[in-house]
Amino acid sequence: GNSVTQMEGPVTLSEEAFLTINCTYTATGYPSLFWYVQYPGEGLQLLLKATKADDKGSNKGFEATYRKETTSFHLEKGSVQVSDSAVYFCALSASSGNTPLVFGKGTRLSVIA
Amino acid sequence: KAGVTQTPRYLIKTRGQQVTLSCSPISGHRSVSWYQQTPGQGLQFLFEYFSETQRNKGNFPGRFSGRQFSNSRSEMNVSTLELGDSALYLCASSPWGEPGANVLTFGAGSRLTVL
Repeated sequence: GNSVTQMEGPVTLSEEAFLTINCTYTATGYPSLFWYVQYPGEGLQLLLKATKADDKGSNKGFEATYRKETTSFHLEKGSVQVSDSAVYFCALSASSGNTPLVFGKGTRLSVIA
Repeated sequence: KAGVTQTPRYLIKTRGQQVTLSCSPISGHRSVSWYQQTPGQGLQFLFEYFSETQRNKGNFPGRFSGRQFSNSRSEMNVSTLELGDSALYLCASSPWGEPGANVLTFGAGSRLTVL
C-alpha cells in the first residue's frame, strides 16, 4: 500500500541554519505530495504541495521538489527562525483519488536563538 | 471565513465510558475526514464523510463510529473507551469529495484523555 517515511526527529537547529527534512514515499502511479505543519496546540496547516514530477512547491521560504526517480519530497529552508519550531508532516494523496491522505509520522523541529 | 471548529477542545473520560466529538467544517465544504493522532502511531485515518455518506474507513474497531448531517457538520463517537484511545482527534474538511486530491483544512483538535 501507499506509505510515507520521514526522518526521525527531533531536529534542533540554531537560528539562520539550513534545514532539510527528508521524506520518501511508496505509491503506485503519480501521487500528489504535501507538507503540513503543526504548531503547538494547533491543528495541521498546509505548508506546500506538488502534484506532478519535478514540480517545486514553495511557501514562507520553505521548498520541496517532487522527485519521482528517487520517490522523494524533501523539505528545505535556507535560514530557519525560532518561529519555525513545529512538527512537520509529509503526506501523499494517491493518484486514483477518493482516498485519504497518508501521513508520515512527523518530524519535530526546534530552532534555538 | 471561519475555519474548522472542533468541540470540545479537551475532555477527560474513564474507561468504559463513551464520548462524542463534534466538527463544523468550513462553510461550503462537503467532505469531512477524521484522524487520530498519537505520539506512537502518528496520524491515523479514521473515516471520511461526504454528503452524509461514509466514503472511506480506516482500520479501527467498530467502537469508533461517525456520521455527517445535512449541513455537513460531523460527529464521531467512541464507545467503551480504553486507555489506548487517549489521543488528539483531528477533523479536516475539503470542498468536495476527493480528500486526497483537495487540500485538507484541519481543526485544532479534541484532546481526549482516558483514565
